[in-house]
Amino acid sequence: DGGITQSPKYLFRKEGQNVTLSCEQNLNHDAMYWYRQDPGQGLRLIYYSQIVNDFQKGDIAEGYSVSREKKESFPLTVTSAQKNPTAFYLCASRRKSVSYEQYFGPGTRLTVT
Amino acid sequence: AQSVTQLDSQVPVFEEAPVELRCNYSSSVSVYLFWYVQYPNQGLQLLLKYLSGSTLVKGINGFEAEFNKSQTSFHLRKPSVHISDTAEYFCAVSEREAAGNKLTFGGGTRVLVKP
Repeated sequence: DGGITQSPKYLFRKEGQNVTLSCEQNLNHDAMYWYRQDPGQGLRLIYYSQIVNDFQKGDIAEGYSVSREKKESFPLTVTSAQKNPTAFYLCASRRKSVSYEQYFGPGTRLTVT
Repeated sequence: AQSVTQLDSQVPVFEEAPVELRCNYSSSVSVYLFWYVQYPNQGLQLLLKYLSGSTLVKGINGFEAEFNKSQTSFHLRKPSVHISDTAEYFCAVSEREAAGNKLTFGGGTRVLVKP
């Protein structure tokens, strides 16, 4: 079955450590997105990528970095510069020129203590 | 810049009763509109979308929404809810000409269906 995989489901880190969240899709979608979800605030866009080797900052990119070396993969690194990294992180993808909706992965819950 | 307001953060409703979730948006250009549902600790699933054409849009699980351009609203309705509809619902907007078709989300409405 086609879909978006995010691993791991739960992730725990100590303050000051960088951590990388995985996002893989086998939908042959062109565009991929990372969102952060906090209670009562909906989803906020961190980074997005429309093609391989290109990505743009979203609304809350500070303290995060991404790469897009392959069409299927869009990993997100939460750096030690992110002041409040504990959150639920969602990856999404979209097939450009065909549809406008985004398809979401199951999410990764990151806890930093 | 676009913004989305979901007027109710929580909506308790009895099983088999109707429910309406309100969504208003602000944008200076034409938009696409979406409703997503999220079950606990899961990703988002698309319920329905408005791209163009008929302003009444039907989605999955018996949900429908009506686009009102003059009131900049996109309210979601279901005539009879089930226990399984307990979830959080998000309204989202994308500006038609925006690079990347970025989505802006409302804060969410938590629906609790009571037996």
